[in-house]
Amino acid sequence: KQEVTQIPAALSVPEGENLVLNCSFTDSAIYNLQWFRQDPGKGLTSLLLIQSSQREQTSGRLNASLDKSSGRSTLYIAASQPGDSATYLCAVGGDKLSFGAGTTVTVRA
Amino acid sequence: NAGVTQTPKFQVLKTGQSMTLQCAQDMNHEYMSWYRQDPGMGLRLIHYSVGAGITDQGEVPNGYNVSRSTTEDFPLRLLSAAPSQTSVYFCASVSPGQGGYEQYFGPGTRLTVT
Repeated sequence: KQEVTQIPAALSVPEGENLVLNCSFTDSAIYNLQWFRQDPGKGLTSLLLIQSSQREQTSGRLNASLDKSSGRSTLYIAASQPGDSATYLCAVGGDKLSFGAGTTVTVRA
Repeated sequence: NAGVTQTPKFQVLKTGQSMTLQCAQDMNHEYMSWYRQDPGMGLRLIHYSVGAGITDQGEVPNGYNVSRSTTEDFPLRLLSAAPSQTSVYFCASVSPGQGGYEQYFGPGTRLTVT
C-alpha cells in the first residue's frame, strides 16, 4: 500500500522568502506525481504534474522535482507572497492517486 | 467548459438516511473517481470508474455504491448514512495522455451525518 508523507505539516514564512515543501512516498512504481493547492473550504487546483520519467517541472515561480528512486519530491515556491497561503497536497499514482495529508502554508505580509 | 461539477455543496443527514451525491464532467474523460477528505488526512479513494458500465472499489468503499451509465455522470450513493461518513467528498475526472494522468477535481460536497 502506497504511503505518502508530507513534511512539515505547517509552515509560516515572511513574504519574499522561498518555500520548500517536501513529499515522500514508499512505492516507487508510480506513473506520475501531482502537486495541488487547496484553499480553505475549496476544491483542489492542480499546480504541476511530473511524469515518472521526468526529473522536474516548472511553472512560473513554482518548481517541482522528482527523485523516484528515493521516493521523494520537492515543491519550491520562489519569492513567496501572501496569496500563496494555502494547503499544498502531494499525490502519487496514475489514474488513481494516493495523497499526503498536506502542508499548510502561511505567508506573513 | 464547466469542468467537474458536484451537487449539493452542503448536506446534513440523519443517521440511517440515504442520499446521492452528484458528479458530472463535460471533458469527455473516461476515468472518474470519488475521494473523501477528513481532517488531518489525505484524500482517500472510495470508488473509481474507467468508463461507462465499469466501476471498481478504492481504499474505503464500505457504505458507498456507485454506477456509471454515461461518460458524463458518476453519482455516489450512501445507502444508510453513518456519523463516520461525515466528510468532504470530491469527485475527480482524469485525463490520460502522453503527459501523464492529470486529475481535475470538483468543488466538493460537505456532508454532515448526525
